[in-house]
Formats: sequence, C-alpha cells, structure tokens
Amino acid sequence: EVQVLESGGGLVQPGGSLRLSCEASGFTFSNYGMTWVRQVPGKGLEWVSVISRSGGDTYYADSVKGRFTISRDNSKNTLYLQMNTLRAEDTAIYYCAKGGSSSYVFDSWGQGTLVTVSS
Amino acid sequence: MMMTQSPATLSVSPGERATLSCRASQSVSSNLAWYQHKPGQAPRLLIFGASTRATGVPDRFSGSGSGTEFTLTISSLQSEDFAVYYCQQYTFWPPRFGQGTKVEIK
Repeated sequence: EVQVLESGGGLVQPGGSLRLSCEASGFTFSNYGMTWVRQVPGKGLEWVSVISRSGGDTYYADSVKGRFTISRDNSKNTLYLQMNTLRAEDTAIYYCAKGGSSSYVFDSWGQGTLVTVSS
Repeated sequence: MMMTQSPATLSVSPGERATLSCRASQSVSSNLAWYQHKPGQAPRLLIFGASTRATGVPDRFSGSGSGTEFTLTISSLQSEDFAVYYCQQYTFWPPRFGQGTKVEIK
C-alpha cells in the first residue's frame, strides 16, 4: 500500500525556519516526482514545490521562491521541505504528494502537517 | 491561469445525482484532475486526464469535458461522498487548483 507520512510541523515565529519531512513507503520512491501542496485553514489548495525523481530538477511557487528548498534522499525514501524566513501567510497544512502519470497529477497524499507562523 | 469551480456549495440528498463544474481561463486540453478532500484526511485523486478514473475509484464518479469546461458527476451520492472537491489543471505551470465545491447533505 502506498503511504506518505509528513512530520515536522509546529509553531514558529515570523522569520524563523522549519524543516518538514515526508516518509514514503509502498512504492519505488526514486521512480516518482514528489510535490508539496499547502492549504491555509478554511481555504483551498496551493501547489508549493516539486522535485524530480533524481532530485536534479526543482520548481517553486512564486510565493515561496528563494525561501523554501525542496530536496529528497532516495536512500531513505524521504522528501524534505526546508522553510526559511517564514511569514504569517505561510501558516497552513502542508501535504506531501506523490506524482502519478504526470509529476503534476498527485495520486497519493499524506494527511498533512500543520505549520503555524505566529509570535 | 485561473480555475473557477461552481457552485461553491452543493446541497444534495443521498442517492441523488451531483454535478460539479470547473472552468479554466485558458484551454488546458484534457490535462485536468479532480480530487476529493474530507476534513482531517488526505486528499484523494479521483479523475485525471479529464475522464480517467484513478485506481479504486467507484464508477459512480465520472469526469467529462476538454478545453475550458469540465464536469465531475457523482451519479448517486453515498454518505461517504460528502466532501470538498477540487479540480486542478496541469497544462500550464504552476499547476493550479480551483477553489473547491463543498458537497453537503441536503
């Protein structure tokens, strides 16, 4: 069974940093692009970042470019999101998602981890 | 590139048909996916390629459309189908979701 499990969320002050992790199982992790999507509580879904199978290609939403870094460790079946210079508007539930037929079709998701940016 | 879903909320009785709409501001060909999201749970892929059901999705869910106009139809609503549904285009970068349609019990 395909599973992805996020961790690392929490409360952080504006300007602070946080690293999210996503542990994958049930599929050959290195064969798939992986994505982070976030949801501000009560709002819709926003795509954040994607990383290619090898990790050699990464892309970001304009809202996080220059502050967030996506990476992966295929030996550990784990995806990461390093979030720096956090802002109140980054407060959201962050979901890890596995790419499917296209890296931009998300066929398996985790339950998310909540990041709260507040003083 | 905007994705607009309508209605924002759809009130339906169990067993009835639900029709959800998604409109793209530019043609996305058939590069359109639908997701189901229940509170506190992982979102679930229902449809990709505008009309292809994902693995394990019941056949009461069907998708149609191409270009700028898309529809998700749930033929006979079951209790487990009450949720928020999102469309998402993947023709243009960045991939973008609609604002969602909440399907609630009438």
